[in-house]
Amino acid sequence: DTEVTQTPKHLVMGMTNKKSLKCEQHMGHRAMYWYKQKAKKPPELMFVYSYEKLSINESVPSRFSPECPNSSLLNLHLHALQPEDSALYLCASSQVTGAKDTQYFGPGTRLTVL
Amino acid sequence: GESVGLHLPTLSVQEGDNSIINCAYSNSASDYFIWYKQESGKGPQFIIDIRSNMDKRQGQRVTVLLNKTVKHLSLQIAATQPGDSAVYFCAENPVYNQGGKLIFGQGTELSVKP
Repeated sequence: DTEVTQTPKHLVMGMTNKKSLKCEQHMGHRAMYWYKQKAKKPPELMFVYSYEKLSINESVPSRFSPECPNSSLLNLHLHALQPEDSALYLCASSQVTGAKDTQYFGPGTRLTVL
Repeated sequence: GESVGLHLPTLSVQEGDNSIINCAYSNSASDYFIWYKQESGKGPQFIIDIRSNMDKRQGQRVTVLLNKTVKHLSLQIAATQPGDSAVYFCAENPVYNQGGKLIFGQGTELSVKP
């Protein structure tokens, strides 16, 4: 089983709202990732968690706040977003963050910021 | 039909024909390569991977070829079907990369005509 689940599938929020995206995997993977993807563009890495510790932050604005409560769960807390933050947010996981580890993606959350 | 990746991002083929999607990679230190398929509204789906010690790898109806001399990767889809219509991304994972940061190509959109 290579399933990564994400909730919600769609989210519409105003610029003053606070919301959270959730990601879950039960493959025993110890690396989890958040990506942002604009239409017809490749995914852009935002954050990497390795063994529940934040290992990479790709200079993401502080209005995006990741959290890894345990090895199966990954959250992305959203606050005071801008309309240009509207995108597909993808979660991925891999066994570890090694150079030969396949990343498996979830279906994504389609975020619209009004 | 055949694409040249960055220079021809859209490939249109007739159902039943073979498709070739190309990808030029830049990093000679890349050790591991992955092809993803992304259908409209979904997350990237792992198709096939190849390690740098191989030239060719076959899956079900798909073949990946790696030419390290010219840093070129291709995905061949046999007997293309309407369900193969999607955007295809290649991704490379440099051997020095212990952080899990994949380098994605820009993608090629495959359109299959019935």
